[in-house]
Amino acid sequence: DQQVKQNSPSLSVQEGRISILNCDYTNSMFDYFLWYKKYPAEGPTFLISISSIKDKNEDGRFTVFLNKSAKHLSLHIVPSQPGDSAVYFCAASADFNKFYFGSGTKLNVKP
Amino acid sequence: GAVVSQHPSRVICKSGTSVKIECRSLDFQATTMFWYRQFPKQSLMLMATSNEGSKATYEQGVEKDKFLINHASLTLSTLTVTSAHPEDSSFYICSARHKSYEQYFGPGTRLTVT
Repeated sequence: DQQVKQNSPSLSVQEGRISILNCDYTNSMFDYFLWYKKYPAEGPTFLISISSIKDKNEDGRFTVFLNKSAKHLSLHIVPSQPGDSAVYFCAASADFNKFYFGSGTKLNVKP
Repeated sequence: GAVVSQHPSRVICKSGTSVKIECRSLDFQATTMFWYRQFPKQSLMLMATSNEGSKATYEQGVEKDKFLINHASLTLSTLTVTSAHPEDSSFYICSARHKSYEQYFGPGTRLTVT
């Protein structure tokens, strides 16, 4: 039973436009959420996080939105750049120890 | 950011043999290290959590006698896949936690069992 789901396996966006990656979760006990970025043959790298007491967190071109009632979070990248092309994973945790990961969304930003 | 290395990056072994994967935190002391497994086009699945100097905590369904984890120091954890079989072929990733919530991931190890 997958508690964190990323229903879009891939997304293609034109350079300069907005990329929106979505993530849904089922466990209402989750109170901390992370987004990771992964290039081929490399480990995931931390991108941005949000706790359940907030509904938005912004870091440069990256913004994460959290909708607790819908159990949904999204990552917005504006403007998208070709270097953003990678696989993005969302992860959720209830205790900072165990994180549950989504299956990832492959983002392709076209020049 | 903090650096975590894994060795080897790729390994091919014969069925029935054992393989050891090392995970090192290069520039920080990791009190907790995590081992994940990723099947193609699927999410990272946590296998076990290891704290330095104590026994690893395994997730449900993970055989602790098959996947031996040792966290002997604050910078090194090892995963040994014993008596490997083709179904153990996968991408294994470790992560290390420096402080608070953030985990730093290694580059992963591709294991192929023939």
